[in-house]
Amino acid sequence: DVKVTQSSRYLVKRTGEKVFLECVQDMDHENMFWYRQDPGLGLRLIYFSYDVKMKEKGDIPEGYSVSREKKERFSLILESASTNQTSMYLCASRQGAQETQYFGPGTRLLVL
Amino acid sequence: SQKIEQNSEALNIQEGKTATLTCNYTNYSPAYLQWYRQDPGRGPVFLLLIRENEKEKRKERLKVTFDTTLKQSLFHITASQPADSATYLCALGGDSSYKLIFGSGTRLLVRP
Repeated sequence: DVKVTQSSRYLVKRTGEKVFLECVQDMDHENMFWYRQDPGLGLRLIYFSYDVKMKEKGDIPEGYSVSREKKERFSLILESASTNQTSMYLCASRQGAQETQYFGPGTRLLVL
Repeated sequence: SQKIEQNSEALNIQEGKTATLTCNYTNYSPAYLQWYRQDPGRGPVFLLLIRENEKEKRKERLKVTFDTTLKQSLFHITASQPADSATYLCALGGDSSYKLIFGSGTRLLVRP
């Protein structure tokens, strides 16, 4: 069974803290994605990676960075967390452009 | 800019009836369209993909249509069951782009 796992289901952080969200996939997929989901706004792409050490900005990259040192692992970093980054964060992976996209269970982040 | 619209009001139907959800888009010519199911607090799960040269796709009780002239996709669940209650998201993809553009979803409630 294919799997995308995320390091935490729930996270509470303080404003200004550095936050790491980790995602691991076991399907040997080339492409991995980080989204955030907010009520009424749908899923918005933050960053994606099409290969190890390769990354591209999505629609809302400000305040975020990413790291992909190994094919199976894609990390999202909030350099200095702010309250407007309180959201549900979803990681996904897929092999090709028109292939099925598999999502992780999500991390609900609260920044106080 | 590209826009994708799903009915933000919940669709409330009786068990056994057919549920029909709508996805409209503007300023975009997608190569394919996907539908996902999302349960509360969980990541989306892929259901169906339909390409621009396909009019209709079926999978068990699910049927998707894709009208590139109307810029619309319809998603049908026949013989609906309470277990079908969830939020359904549509997503558009380009020919070689890895980016998916997601709608904000429509919540379906199936009454027993």
